[in-house]
Amino acid sequence: NAGVTQTPKFQVLKTGQSMTLQCAQDMNHNSMYWYRQDPGMGLRLIYYSASEGTTDKGEVPNGYNVSRLNKREFSLRLESAAPSQTSVYFCASTEGGLNTEAFFGQGTRLTVV
Amino acid sequence: AQSVTQPDIHITVSEGASLELRCNYSYGATPYLFWYVQSPGQGLQLLLKYFSGDTLVQGIKGFEAEFKRSQSSFNLRKPSVHWSDAAEYFCAVGPYNQGGKLIFGQGTELSVKP
Repeated sequence: NAGVTQTPKFQVLKTGQSMTLQCAQDMNHNSMYWYRQDPGMGLRLIYYSASEGTTDKGEVPNGYNVSRLNKREFSLRLESAAPSQTSVYFCASTEGGLNTEAFFGQGTRLTVV
Repeated sequence: AQSVTQPDIHITVSEGASLELRCNYSYGATPYLFWYVQSPGQGLQLLLKYFSGDTLVQGIKGFEAEFKRSQSSFNLRKPSVHWSDAAEYFCAVGPYNQGGKLIFGQGTELSVKP
């Protein structure tokens, strides 16, 4: 069972470069999420997609864009990376509806120099 | 404001000792509460969740948590800690109809002494 798969696992970018983090789930889940994890701050929601075709901002959306490509895939794009975006990024998915829990990917460790 | 507070950043316990990790939340609606565990370099794994019913919930790996509405708390417990329990633990709260839209605490890192 693959669950939630994120690529790449590690990435180093120079300030101003762009990149897209990929996320795919094989559980036929309706909702997908992007979080960032920073030391001492837990995880914070960047964007989410409650269902295919919809996306909404979370707590820290500035500097990011997302695309819900289809039901399986939800990508996160950094158009012009900044050192403040150095973080570990997690994708998650839920079945949606009532009383469902999130399943997380293994994370992408991004460093912006 | 909605928030989750885990007062203990780092806890060290001896193997075989009991464990309690504290979590307090502030949430405007009925809370849907979770505990997740993260091993180094890994993603998050769900330990247990609570929405309604019995306020003492059982999870995986021998963990349990008790919901106390009057104290806005959802503390995690384990009677006897194993060395493999060393990890970071996150408490989270969210809406019952959007289980991935979570507010996380800062995390508690657990070390286990042999």
